[in-house]
Amino acid sequence: ETGVTQSPTHLIKTRGQQVTLRCSSQSGHNTVSWYQQALGQGPQFIFQYYREEENGRGNFPPRFSGLQFPNYSSELNVNALELDDSALYLCASSLLGLGEQFFGPGTRLTVL
Amino acid sequence: AQKITQTQPGMFVQEKEAVTLDCTYDTSDQSYGLFWYKQPSSGEMIFLIYQGSYDEQNATEGRYSLNFQKARKSANLVISASQLGDSAMYFCAMTPVNSGGGADGLTFGKGTHLIIQP
Repeated sequence: ETGVTQSPTHLIKTRGQQVTLRCSSQSGHNTVSWYQQALGQGPQFIFQYYREEENGRGNFPPRFSGLQFPNYSSELNVNALELDDSALYLCASSLLGLGEQFFGPGTRLTVL
Repeated sequence: AQKITQTQPGMFVQEKEAVTLDCTYDTSDQSYGLFWYKQPSSGEMIFLIYQGSYDEQNATEGRYSLNFQKARKSANLVISASQLGDSAMYFCAMTPVNSGGGADGLTFGKGTHLIIQP
């Protein structure tokens, strides 16, 4: 059974740029959720995708967007990067309706 | 809206001792799930244990048990016989069990940094 994978592991961008982060869900899981974890804080829910559509969203602006593909993998896109977007971005996969979410190793984004 | 409060920013515990990590929550949902995750310095969130709000018995998973007191809205994690490898950040989290569809994601606390000393 393959776990959740994320790429890249680290990324450095400058303010105003755009970034795409990628996530492959665990085998058999149909739902992907994305979280932002600032330094010293708990993760915050960005959004969830199910059947290639956004299924729920946290308190994040529209410049945070995503995609889910037929194989259940997912992308997180962030436009017009701001310094405060520097964080660890975590992807989690699950089966819809079951609460347990399995997390990937995360992508650490630094915005200069 | 849901809220998780973890009041212990950091804890030092001697190896082989039991440790209790505190978690209180607030929600207006009738049905919800409570989780504990471990986050080592590598960053990956590792699932430890789950408790459903309607589960009558406290959840246990190996050395981990969840002390669920619904009336007090608390869901403390107990680690028995602590090991050096238990040193990490520990997060309490919750989500509503929403039969109407839609997703609220997990709401996390700020975490407790646990350090096990030899």
